[in-house]
Amino acid sequence: QVQLQESGPGLVKPSQTLSLTCAVSGASISSGTNYWSWVRQPAGKGLEWIGRMYTSGSTNYNPSLKSRVTISVDTSENHFSLKLSSVTAADTAVYYCAREDQLAIFDYWGRGTLVTVSP
Amino acid sequence: QSVLTQPPSVSAAPGQKVTISCSGSYSNIGNNFVSWFQQLPGTAPKLLIYDNNKRPSGIPDRFSASKSGTSATLGITGLQTGDEADYYCGTWDSSLTVVFGGGTKLTVL
Repeated sequence: QVQLQESGPGLVKPSQTLSLTCAVSGASISSGTNYWSWVRQPAGKGLEWIGRMYTSGSTNYNPSLKSRVTISVDTSENHFSLKLSSVTAADTAVYYCAREDQLAIFDYWGRGTLVTVSP
Repeated sequence: QSVLTQPPSVSAAPGQKVTISCSGSYSNIGNNFVSWFQQLPGTAPKLLIYDNNKRPSGIPDRFSASKSGTSATLGITGLQTGDEADYYCGTWDSSLTVVFGGGTKLTVL
């Protein structure tokens, strides 16, 4: 059974960098043909795809966030990370990590973690 | 404004059938497979349908979906109170991004 768990600060100050980690169990993020993705959801709103990382280490990012996003992997710890720089209140959301089996097929999700951007 | 268009809400009585539409364009739905997700209150989304009409293991056959042209439809039969949730469609877009619908809130009256 694949499980994902997000972790990181719940409060980030404006203009700073949001950093989250997704620990994966039940699957190796360095093998297979899956993508490992981040999706966010502002309170009361819909889902927004942030970006993904392939097992090879290559990445794709949402063009609207590309200049501020970095997704990286730590294969020794079997986890992947999200960094979002220069955050504003508009970045306040629940952040989910997910396994993307193929394009847009998110078959396993973490529980999500709320990140609030506030002074 | 979401790239894919869904109705904000739908409702039906227990035991009845409901459909949820998802409208896009040739750059997304028209040329790619569609997934559907169920999000129960306070929980993470759950994959309901992938590749337009396939159900993952464990998803009851009360849930079905189809795609025609640049639109997709999710159908739920034999509605139960436990089906009350937000439903999202999603697919790949030629702008090199995953796009989602704005979500549809299902109320079982």
